[in-house]
Amino acid sequence: GENVEQHPSTLSVQEGDSAVIKCTYSDSASNYFPWYKQELGKRPQLIIDIRSNVGEKKDQRIAVTLNKTAKHFSLHITETQPEDSAVYFCAASETSYDKVIFGPGTSLSVIP
Amino acid sequence: DTGVSQDPRHKITKRGQNVTFRCDPISEHNRLYWYRQTLGQGPEFLTYFQNEAQLEKSRLLSDRFSAERPKGSFSTLEIQRTEQGDSAMYLCASSPTGSGDQPQHFGDGTRLSIL
Repeated sequence: GENVEQHPSTLSVQEGDSAVIKCTYSDSASNYFPWYKQELGKRPQLIIDIRSNVGEKKDQRIAVTLNKTAKHFSLHITETQPEDSAVYFCAASETSYDKVIFGPGTSLSVIP
Repeated sequence: DTGVSQDPRHKITKRGQNVTFRCDPISEHNRLYWYRQTLGQGPEFLTYFQNEAQLEKSRLLSDRFSAERPKGSFSTLEIQRTEQGDSAMYLCASSPTGSGDQPQHFGDGTRLSIL
């Protein structure tokens, strides 16, 4: 079955700097890659997603890149703000409405 | 948009007791998913439904766990003879199916604590 790995497990950046989180997946059948943000005690919330037929997608300060050949995908957050502090999960699935396999998470701290 | 609703938010029970959780998905969503999340980990897939049909169950779902979605709307997850290792956050999510991306929307979860 699918296995998703994620690095780093913790990340601390100064406000205004960029943050990068990297993930790998194992199952070539995966075609949909969502990213979720989870604040302490709250539900995971989708922040951006990408399909395998797209190499890059951007939404304001957030961008994702996907290398399907290498089975790598990454999240980039620019101009970080304290409210970006949370745990971020990468994930993979065959389609957006199949079961989702999550990575172990990255705890991001943005220092004011 | 009422979102995905889960009840109860918290459940504390003694080892060996049975517990049941309820999930109400977003009304037009025909897929419903259950995940389990332990502290410091990502959500782990347990099972999912399309309407009333249970499509897949994870190996994580032992025979003490059962999930139902009898009318294709709300779902229940029951754990029988609870064990310490069942302590976790149980998350429900829902999505529509069809063309285009249909991401899963999560509820706030039910936190289970086994004494």
